[in-house]
Amino acid sequence: GAGVSQTPSNKVTEKGKYVELRCDPISGHTALYWYRQSLGQGPEFLIYFQGTGAADDSGLPNDRFFAVRPEGSVSTLKIQRTERGDSAVYLCASSWEGDSPLHFGNGTRLTVT
Amino acid sequence: KQEVTQIPAALSVPEGENLVLNCSFTDSAIYNLQWFRQDPGKGLTSLLLIQSSQREQTSGRLNASLDKSSGRSTLYIAASQPGDSATYLCAVRPANYGQNFVFGPGTRLSVLP
Repeated sequence: GAGVSQTPSNKVTEKGKYVELRCDPISGHTALYWYRQSLGQGPEFLIYFQGTGAADDSGLPNDRFFAVRPEGSVSTLKIQRTERGDSAVYLCASSWEGDSPLHFGNGTRLTVT
Repeated sequence: KQEVTQIPAALSVPEGENLVLNCSFTDSAIYNLQWFRQDPGKGLTSLLLIQSSQREQTSGRLNASLDKSSGRSTLYIAASQPGDSATYLCAVRPANYGQNFVFGPGTRLSVLP
């Protein structure tokens, strides 16, 4: 079946602009995660959804970052007033409830100029 | 706060060698530990997941062990092949800090033909 899909694969934006990154998880997966990865580092946790609600948003760096999952499937990560330091690969992962493996998408490479 | 480290940061071996990658975590209170593989420009692929009650998991030429009390896991790769070249990351799911996985920085493996 289809894996986790992320769009766009690449996004270049100017400093100060607003961006939206989309994640389409594996069908039926109730848990959805957003991570951010900088070059040479492991992924850094941003936010976790269980169904429609954000069960843990402790990793969001500041209030410019926001994520939604209105119907418990597709999720959108929204970044306002982008800064050059936001440049990174944004990864989405999904899993079944409980202790099951994470399945990652290929990520969105965000570049803020 | 849970921290995950991986040693070595990079490793280069000739084809056919058996090798061990190491992962250490600071807080032994975990639900599970997962090993991933990441190819350049791609997302992460789950290799093995070990529950906190388990000691090891095997899949083909891969064997992962977990010593929760000492905060260590190893990934053993038998008879390495050039196709094994990638970055290998471990991640733990803490029992006390919410639902997110905490990742190490990864070990970059090169298997030379």
